[in-house]
Amino acid sequence: KNQVEQSPQSLIILEGKNCTLQCNYTVSPFSNLRWYKQDTGRGPVSLTIMTFSENTKSNGRYTATLDADTKQSSLHITASQLSDSASYICVVTSGGSYIPTFGRGTSLIVHP
Amino acid sequence: EAQVTQNPRYLITVTGKKLTVTCSQNMNHEYMSWYRQDPGLGLRQIYYSMNVEVTDKGDVPEGYKVSRKEKRNFPLILESPSPNQTSLYFCASTTSTGMTEAFFGQGTRLTVV
Repeated sequence: KNQVEQSPQSLIILEGKNCTLQCNYTVSPFSNLRWYKQDTGRGPVSLTIMTFSENTKSNGRYTATLDADTKQSSLHITASQLSDSASYICVVTSGGSYIPTFGRGTSLIVHP
Repeated sequence: EAQVTQNPRYLITVTGKKLTVTCSQNMNHEYMSWYRQDPGLGLRQIYYSMNVEVTDKGDVPEGYKVSRKEKRNFPLILESPSPNQTSLYFCASTTSTGMTEAFFGQGTRLTVV
């Protein structure tokens, strides 16, 4: 069964600090992996999309990495801001399927 | 502005009373889908549509119907809502390849009493 596991479940950091969120998946065959940011009560917003051949992709202070061999991805947030407080969701889509597999998300709280 | 619009944003209804949640996108996307989000479970796909008149079940389709008569619209229909369908619902759209950014609507919070 296709699964996406995210860790940690929740994280609290101080403003200005860096943090890394993890995503492990068993989806096969692999097509693409996305990271979304979801503010409370709002729709997810896409941060990055990566295919099998991409190892790193950045979007401002967000940098996603992908290791397709170990089926792991990470999302690194640099110099965190209060507005980074949100849930971060990892989504993996398998080749030939149009049903994405969602992780349960990591809840990030940035304190001043 | 590229967007996915859902209506209503909030809805309280009674068990068994048919309802429709509308979804419209202005990006000419082929692929549209519906999700529900419940605490501790994350987002789960209900139905998706690859194009006009092409729809298919996602992970949790029971109790829901959809239609895709026009490219821009993808309504979610609950013929006989039950309390276990109380949830936060999101509509999303993207290009058919799925390799471009997916856009989500603002969400519809549904309560069935």
